[in-house]
Amino acid sequence: QKEVEQDPGPLSVPEGAIVSLNCTYSNSAFQYFMWYRQYSRKGPELLMYTYSSGNKEDGRFTAQVDKSSKYISLFIRDSQPSDSATYLCAMSANNDYKLSFGAGTTVTVRA
Amino acid sequence: DTAVSQTPKYLVTQMGNDKSIKCEQNLGHDTMYWYKQDSKKFLKIMFSYNNKELIINETVPNRFSPKSPDKAHLNLHINSLELGDSAVYFCASSQRDMMNTEAFFGQGTRLTVV
Repeated sequence: QKEVEQDPGPLSVPEGAIVSLNCTYSNSAFQYFMWYRQYSRKGPELLMYTYSSGNKEDGRFTAQVDKSSKYISLFIRDSQPSDSATYLCAMSANNDYKLSFGAGTTVTVRA
Repeated sequence: DTAVSQTPKYLVTQMGNDKSIKCEQNLGHDTMYWYKQDSKKFLKIMFSYNNKELIINETVPNRFSPKSPDKAHLNLHINSLELGDSAVYFCASSQRDMMNTEAFFGQGTRLTVV
């Protein structure tokens, strides 16, 4: 079993829809949670960063962390065609010198 | 003024050759990484360096040898390339303060071994 599980999709939604992405993990030591967006043939770029449990909102993006369930989510409101990309969850523990990634979910927003 | 830059962007080479990928970051970070992304987009850590010191070597074959001449640079040398080494290699950097572990990635080097 992988340390971080993420449904690879693909996920196709119409423009304006809410996109819901999630990851589960097994390592209870994880404290730092990130979402990266990766466009085709580009490097991952950081979208959201959360420490421990809770919610964080940034524009159309909301990240949620539920450590008790070992479950994290990313919501994209009013999705746009420009949101079409692969979304990767990543996490690390204190004193970790690496990120553990999910497999990535490919999202297509149809105009 | 790219934050994390790596060269080359594309690399096509024959089996058995030796090649190097270079990485530089201008963010002033103290930690740098090499990740490998396979054809299914899964990103896996290979090495991490903190202040030029090797911290993580994640069961990578000895044919892969990272070198960090200073905190801003982390190069990757690969000997005797094999078909299975074909992948995208990403360099990344971060600052290892408490509560601040997010990594910033370069654009990747797409390595194809033929």
